[in-house]
Amino acid sequence: GEDVEQSLFLSVREGDSSVINCTYTDSSSTYLYWYKQEPGAGLQLLTYIFSNMDMKQDQRLTVLLNKKDKHLSLRIADTQTGDSAIYFCAEWDNYGQNFVFGPGTRLSVLP
Amino acid sequence: DAGITQSPRHKVTETGTPVTLRCHQTENHRYMYWYRQDPGHGLRLIHYSYGVKDTDKGEVSDGYSVSRSKTEDFLLTLESATSSQTSVYFCASQGRLPSYGYTFGSGTRLTVV
Repeated sequence: GEDVEQSLFLSVREGDSSVINCTYTDSSSTYLYWYKQEPGAGLQLLTYIFSNMDMKQDQRLTVLLNKKDKHLSLRIADTQTGDSAIYFCAEWDNYGQNFVFGPGTRLSVLP
Repeated sequence: DAGITQSPRHKVTETGTPVTLRCHQTENHRYMYWYRQDPGHGLRLIHYSYGVKDTDKGEVSDGYSVSRSKTEDFLLTLESATSSQTSVYFCASQGRLPSYGYTFGSGTRLTVV
């Protein structure tokens, strides 16, 4: 079945850029997503990218997609303490009609 | 309020007892999902529903059952709770892709002692 992998932890200094990486297995995924989870809360949709795109920018967020390598990344510019959260990569499973999530990357922003 | 509400938010139960978690959505979404979240595993799909009375199993469905008698309500039942079912449970509904993705509830923290 589909599988999504991410590194589990990332620490950055406030004001630096953060890059969170993800690899996925389903080459037929039409959409790839990033979700954010703050403590004690459910996941919130951050952004998504179509599989026929290489890059998408949305304010401080940049998503890069390398479809050949099945690699997705999320770059957060000028990272703030409020960005501390768990970030989940997810691919849309067209067959199962559900999202398949990675294990999540816990981002810690140090002052 | 719009969105998804889950109840209860926290529950402690004893091994062997049945437990029902509730999910209520006001979005009129056709698809609804139950996931469990465990450290290092991310979110794993338990069951999902594609309409009233239409449900299917996910990746980790053993020991769980679901029911959907109305569009807005999706119930998850642990038939006989075990300690391995201690987890945080999230309900989600699916909005129109791609812009909306999932709408998630705030989760239910279940502890089985």
